[in-house]
Amino acid sequence: SAVISQKPSRDICQRGTSLTIQCQVDSQVTMMFWYRQQPGQSLTLIATANQGSEATYESGFVIDKFPISRPNLTFSTLTVSNMSPEDSSIYLCSVELDRGGYGYTFGSGTRLTVV
Amino acid sequence: DAKTTQPPSMDCAEGRAANLPCNHSTISGNEYVYWYRQIHSQGPQYIIHGLKNNETNEMASLIITEDRKSSTLILPHATLRDTAVYYCIVRVANSGYALNFGKGTSLLVTP
Repeated sequence: SAVISQKPSRDICQRGTSLTIQCQVDSQVTMMFWYRQQPGQSLTLIATANQGSEATYESGFVIDKFPISRPNLTFSTLTVSNMSPEDSSIYLCSVELDRGGYGYTFGSGTRLTVV
Repeated sequence: DAKTTQPPSMDCAEGRAANLPCNHSTISGNEYVYWYRQIHSQGPQYIIHGLKNNETNEMASLIITEDRKSSTLILPHATLRDTAVYYCIVRVANSGYALNFGKGTSLLVTP
């Protein structure tokens, strides 16, 4: 399956600041997906990032709060802007790669704590 | 995507088989059943998937009923490291869309 490197693995940030999370894939992919997982909850899709076009955001998520870049077919960033304690979550990136039917591969996640 | 229903939690003794059920009564003909698991705060991990035949790999077996309205993930000899949240997801393969996660089943393997 694809290998995804996600950085940072964790961070503690002050409210009002921003954090950029990076996701690097070891092969070219068309779509990259960003999720949020709040404490004790399941994964919620934030947006889909397609190279060369603006990301598509799910209901409840807006570009000003979660800007996404997708400069090429192997890399994407998610920024969590103007953070508040409610943004404390795990953020994960994912790609769909049909290598022997593995389907979707996920990064190891970024655990964000906002204080 | 077809909706899935899973029990919120299950227990299993170490060394015994863990049988995790999933109902997907509205599944359509071209939708696969995927199983993923998430071990405490790690990224979800692919386990197995199938269309209509039973499938087995080194991690688990997937039994899909003939009408495809339900399935069971079987971990044949559960270990403590299998303690995780297990997600059953129905999805067309290579759709280009993200996986939609439900609440899953929290499996606790006990000594």
